[in-house]
Amino acid sequence: GAGVSQSPSNKVTEKGKDVELRCDPISGHTALYWYRQSLGQGLEFLIYFQGNSAPDKSGLPSDRFSAERTGGSVSTLTIQRTQQEDSAVYLCASSLAPGRGSEKLFFGSGTQLSVL
Amino acid sequence: TQLLEQSPQFLSIQEGENLTVYCNSSSVFSSLQWYRQEPGEGPVLLVTVVTGGEVKKLKRLTFQFGDARKDSSLHITAAQPGDTGLYLCAGARGDFGNEKLTFGTGTRLTIIP
Repeated sequence: GAGVSQSPSNKVTEKGKDVELRCDPISGHTALYWYRQSLGQGLEFLIYFQGNSAPDKSGLPSDRFSAERTGGSVSTLTIQRTQQEDSAVYLCASSLAPGRGSEKLFFGSGTQLSVL
Repeated sequence: TQLLEQSPQFLSIQEGENLTVYCNSSSVFSSLQWYRQEPGEGPVLLVTVVTGGEVKKLKRLTFQFGDARKDSSLHITAAQPGDTGLYLCAGARGDFGNEKLTFGTGTRLTIIP
C-alpha cells in the first residue's frame, strides 16, 4: 500500500476483554514498530520487529501485551484482559531497515483504544 | 523516567511571529529526529540531525543539534497557521538508530491567523 495502514481506527471495549490491533506496513519495509501515545503526550516504545523476529520487547507494559508479525509483513498487537489504563492511541510505524538514526519512520494513523 | 524534555509544552502565537521550541536531555544521543503530528494522524518526520552542532533548514524551519548531542532546538520564522500541530523530538541511542527511539513530551503549537 501507499502508507502504513492500521485497523481498526477506533476500538471501544469493556474492561477484561481481549483486543487485537492490526498493522499493515509499507511494502518492502523490513522493520516495524509499535508505540503507544496517551492523550496529547509523547510516544512510548512498545516493541520492534526486524522481519518476523522481535529483538526488543522491552517496552511491553505487562504480560497482557503480546505482538506477532507474519510473513515479514502484517503485525498484530494483542492486549488481553484490557484495563482502563490501556486506553491510548496505538501507533505503528515501519522503515526500510533499522539504521543509525537516519532511517525514516513512516507512521500509520493509529488505533484509538478506549477501555470502559 | 522521561529522558527528553520539551519546552514549552504549549505555545500559542500570532501568525507572522517567530518561535523556538527546545528538546533537552542529560543523555547523549547518536541522532535526533523532529516530527510534527496533526490530530488523528501519526507523526511525520521533518528532519534528522546526526552531528553535534549540525544545523538543518527546511523552508522557514531551522533545526539545530547541540554540540554535545544532548539537546536540540527548532526555530520557526514567520509562523503560518499550517505550522499548527504537535511537535515531537525523538532521540536514538547506540549504533542502531531506530529500534527504540525515545520521544519527548511534545510541544503543542497553535498559530492564530
